[in-house]
Amino acid sequence: ETGVTQTPRHLVMGMTNKKSLKCEQHLGHNAMYWYKQSAKKPLELMFVYSLEERVENNSVPSRFSPECPNSSHLFLHLHTLQPEDSALYLCASSQDITSGEQYFGPGTRLTVT
Amino acid sequence: AQTVTQSQPEMSVQEAETVTLSCTYDTSESDYYLFWYKQPPSRQMILVIRQEAYKQQNATENRFSVNFQKAAKSFSLKISDSQLGDAAMYFCAYRSPGPVRGSQGNLIFGKGTKLSVKP
Repeated sequence: ETGVTQTPRHLVMGMTNKKSLKCEQHLGHNAMYWYKQSAKKPLELMFVYSLEERVENNSVPSRFSPECPNSSHLFLHLHTLQPEDSALYLCASSQDITSGEQYFGPGTRLTVT
Repeated sequence: AQTVTQSQPEMSVQEAETVTLSCTYDTSESDYYLFWYKQPPSRQMILVIRQEAYKQQNATENRFSVNFQKAAKSFSLKISDSQLGDAAMYFCAYRSPGPVRGSQGNLIFGKGTKLSVKP
């Protein structure tokens, strides 16, 4: 495994629900990322954190709210999602934001009903 | 903006044979990094191989090697002696050097190639 874990692995939620995705890395890395992976589309970078500070927000709707309480943990808070938000959400980490090598978690398969 | 194109949505190879996955990219930069990532079914995406643009020598990692053609902006992955465990989605990715800032420094992925290995 890569040293990056994500929970839950699967999540089904209604459009009015509030839920959170969790990511944890055990690699001592300083940068963490959220990606959205949809079928037949390239991975879309959503957020980037460096030393708990958000450095990138790729025009992501406000119904997605990230949180990075420390360099090992990253959350993605979800509320009032739309069916088109159904996708695989991947967390990744890297040594720092200059490092090209990213280590990915297994992802959370999200279904919005 | 940089783009990465993988023109083969699906590929198939016989076990023990060799297969080549194609990747082209578009950039105006002279220095950058290229990667191949592997995503097995229901498993984590892992880095297979990386190439620095300033290095002329093609990177190799055991059975995996690349054919990096900088002038042609081509970065293909060759898998030799294919094994059943090689079956996965393969993603080509591009990254400009430096920290992540705006559109710079992000990993830019292609849509992927699904590789099947026949026993």
